[in-house]
Amino acid sequence: RKEVEQDPGPFNVPEGATVAFNCTYSNSASQSFFWYRQDCRKEPKLLMSVYSSGNEDGRFTAQLNRASQYISLLIRDSKLSDSATYLCVVKGSGGGADGLTFGKGTHLIIQP
Amino acid sequence: EAGVAQSPRYKIIEKRQSVAFWCNPISGHATLYWYQQILGQGPKLLIQFQNNGVVDDSQLPKDRFSAERLKGVDSTLKIQPAKLEDSAVYLCASTGPPPPGPNPRETQYFGPGTRLLVL
Repeated sequence: RKEVEQDPGPFNVPEGATVAFNCTYSNSASQSFFWYRQDCRKEPKLLMSVYSSGNEDGRFTAQLNRASQYISLLIRDSKLSDSATYLCVVKGSGGGADGLTFGKGTHLIIQP
Repeated sequence: EAGVAQSPRYKIIEKRQSVAFWCNPISGHATLYWYQQILGQGPKLLIQFQNNGVVDDSQLPKDRFSAERLKGVDSTLKIQPAKLEDSAVYLCASTGPPPPGPNPRETQYFGPGTRLLVL
């Protein structure tokens, strides 16, 4: 089983729609969770951290379910500029080694 | 604040040749990471440094890959000899101390990457 699994898509969504991505992770000892955004031929950039209580940043909402080892990202009122690859990211289980483990990413295309 | 710098941005070599990549992290960031991103995949951690010491190199193919951060600032990643499957983007990232607040989460900042093509 892969450590972080995502549906690669692509998700083709009309502008203004709501879209949701899901991700599962295999290491139950994982401590931190993130969504990164990666534009074509660019480096990944942090979109938002994911907290157990769920958190919102503008049009973006992230949820974490530790029992099911499941992370989600919801984008409301999608914009053309939201077109990108969204990477689900899990941080190690402690002990000093805290490199990030990335999913393959979900490709989102917002259509006008 | 200047970001993570990497060079070269692009490199084309033939298989069995050697190549080296350079990274300068954000000033003051003690932790430095090298990732390999193959087309269509997410980045995969190769090695993590804390200052000039290696914290994790469990996924580094040590028969051909090496990395160093001698003075705890800049870092170089070397491949010798390169194989076709090494074609990828090599990303460097750095992390500083966690920000203040109730839910401190240090952020890894990525450089623009070096695109390597092995022919």
